[in-house]
Amino acid sequence: SQKIEQNSEALNIQEGKTATLTCNYTNYSPAYLQWYRQDPGRGPVFLLLIRENEKEKRKERLKVTFDTTLKQSLFHITASQPADSATYLCALDILGGYNKLIFGAGTRLAVHP
Amino acid sequence: TAGITQAPTSQILAAGRSMTLRCTQDMRHNAMYWYRQDLGLGLRLIHYSNTAGTTGKGEVPDGYSVSRANTDDFPLTLASAVPSQTSVYFCASSGDPSTDTQYFGPGTRLTVL
Repeated sequence: SQKIEQNSEALNIQEGKTATLTCNYTNYSPAYLQWYRQDPGRGPVFLLLIRENEKEKRKERLKVTFDTTLKQSLFHITASQPADSATYLCALDILGGYNKLIFGAGTRLAVHP
Repeated sequence: TAGITQAPTSQILAAGRSMTLRCTQDMRHNAMYWYRQDLGLGLRLIHYSNTAGTTGKGEVPDGYSVSRANTDDFPLTLASAVPSQTSVYFCASSGDPSTDTQYFGPGTRLTVL
């Protein structure tokens, strides 16, 4: 069965450093992958989408890579700030059309001043 | 624009009672979803609807039912609640079938005693 793995342990980093979160998957070849941010007590919010033919995607301080050979995506936040503290979820497509995403359990990021 | 609203925000329910969680979106999205989120398990799909008038079962549909009478509303009903249905419930919608990027509501925290 499809499996998405995100580090269940929280990632603690100092303000100003680059945070790197990992999403690994097995038994599937998604056409694209999405990253969402979730704050405590709130619903997830879409951040970035990267397609299988894109190695890297950037948006402001965010950078996502997608290695279909390793079956892995890395999510980077450069010059991290305490406001970046949240849980970050990756999601893979599994079907065409709607009803296609499966979500990882997420990794909690804590950026300390 | 409100996006997606959910009601109630939280609820304590006695086991065996029924309850309907409400979800309304104002983005005219075709697809809508109900997820439950439990610690360590991530988002699990309960039911979905690709368009008004149609619904489908997700990963964990047992004990839940949905209807989609119109584009905007997608209520989730628990006919006879059990303690294992204690969770945070998120409604989401998607207007792009090519990516299925989803927009989430604020969630309903349900406790079944």
